[in-house]
Amino acid sequence: GQSLEQPSEVTAVEGAIVQINCTYQTSGFYGLSWYQQHDGGAPTFLSYNALDGLEETGRFSSFLSRSDSYGYLLLQELQMKDSASYFCAVREDTNAGKSTFGDGTTLTVKP
Amino acid sequence: DAGVIQSPRHEVTEMGQEVTLRCKPISGHDYLFWYRQTMMRGLELLIYFNNNVPIDDSGMPEDRFSAKMPNASFSTLKIQPSEPRDSAVYFCASTSIDTYNEQFFGPGTRLTVL
Repeated sequence: GQSLEQPSEVTAVEGAIVQINCTYQTSGFYGLSWYQQHDGGAPTFLSYNALDGLEETGRFSSFLSRSDSYGYLLLQELQMKDSASYFCAVREDTNAGKSTFGDGTTLTVKP
Repeated sequence: DAGVIQSPRHEVTEMGQEVTLRCKPISGHDYLFWYRQTMMRGLELLIYFNNNVPIDDSGMPEDRFSAKMPNASFSTLKIQPSEPRDSAVYFCASTSIDTYNEQFFGPGTRLTVL
């Protein structure tokens, strides 16, 4: 079967660093994406990794290890506005097709 | 660009009624996805289209659900008859080969079936 596992909840304080892990078991793998979703809003794209290693975009970084079927999203210098749900998603097609989403991690940033 | 447009934003209906959700993808995008999000089941892919053709509908829960894409700028998801367990937020997303790493989501339709 196909499964993605990520922690259900994470709490951190403003200014801190937090890491959200994602492990996956899918029939196909072409890349790992991360999305952010604020309460009542739509998921928005944060980052994508197709190859092993770290991708950095401002305060957010994403890491992938294909051999370990594992990735993480790293959020630095946390701000209150970072409080949201974060989803990892595996792209299973060679083209722009099917992605399977994890259940999401709710991040709460406290003052 | 206006982004992905969905209508209605909220829909309240009674069990047994037909519900039609609408989506306009971003111009130039040739992939369109329909997702359903609930607390219990998370974000589930229902069906996706490529160049207006349904590619994978394995996520469609049952025959009460149907989706069409008559042209590149419009898609519908229909539920007939609706049931209370269909209550969820339904998202439409689009992308293209040029932006394949990223799916662009619409604001969603919050459906409540009484």
